[in-house]
Amino acid sequence: GAVVSQHPSRVICKSGTSVKIECRSLDFQATTMFWYRQFPKQSLMLMATSNEGSKATYEQGVEKDKFLINHASLTLSTLTVTSAHPEDSSFYICSARDGGQGSAFFGQGTRLTVV
Amino acid sequence: GEDVEQSLFLSVREGDSSVINCTYTDSSSTYLYWYKQEPGAGLQLLTYIFSNMDMKQDQRLTVLLNKKDKHLSLRIADTQTGDSAIYFCAEESNTGKLIFGQGTTLQVKP
Repeated sequence: GAVVSQHPSRVICKSGTSVKIECRSLDFQATTMFWYRQFPKQSLMLMATSNEGSKATYEQGVEKDKFLINHASLTLSTLTVTSAHPEDSSFYICSARDGGQGSAFFGQGTRLTVV
Repeated sequence: GEDVEQSLFLSVREGDSSVINCTYTDSSSTYLYWYKQEPGAGLQLLTYIFSNMDMKQDQRLTVLLNKKDKHLSLRIADTQTGDSAIYFCAEESNTGKLIFGQGTTLQVKP
């Protein structure tokens, strides 16, 4: 099946710094990618929809200036957590659809810890 | 609005069948998915079903869809200890985004 690669898998950063997470579709082109956040023992919540070549669409309650999304190519979307705080510590997962198959595939996820 | 509900926990003995249930609200969903998440890992797509299907079988996995009741189930035959994980059902909205249930923790006892 289609493969989505996410990097890094784990990152620890200091409060006030920024962290960039990459999401790549390895064997298909993805005009749309999705970014989710998962708190411990909870379900995934959609943060934003990343559209290649245009602005991302953010879900209600998600700060677009804090969670910057760039989808510069058909195989790469990045999520940058700016001025990170401990409450941003979470598991972030991206997904992309392989349009031909119609199903969504997920990256391995990134465990962000802000200290 | 869109909402997906699952039971939170299921415990079975190794070799038994497991049935995980899910209800959803969006009648316009095109695809419904089952994902598996092992501790600290991302989500693994197990199977999916198109909304005009009633059943889909893939080796040990059987998905049943009752569109009238908006009920989806995942049956795992001959459950193994390696099946222990959290299972998420998800519906795909007409915008392409997925709405997830809370996840069902499956515990398989030897």
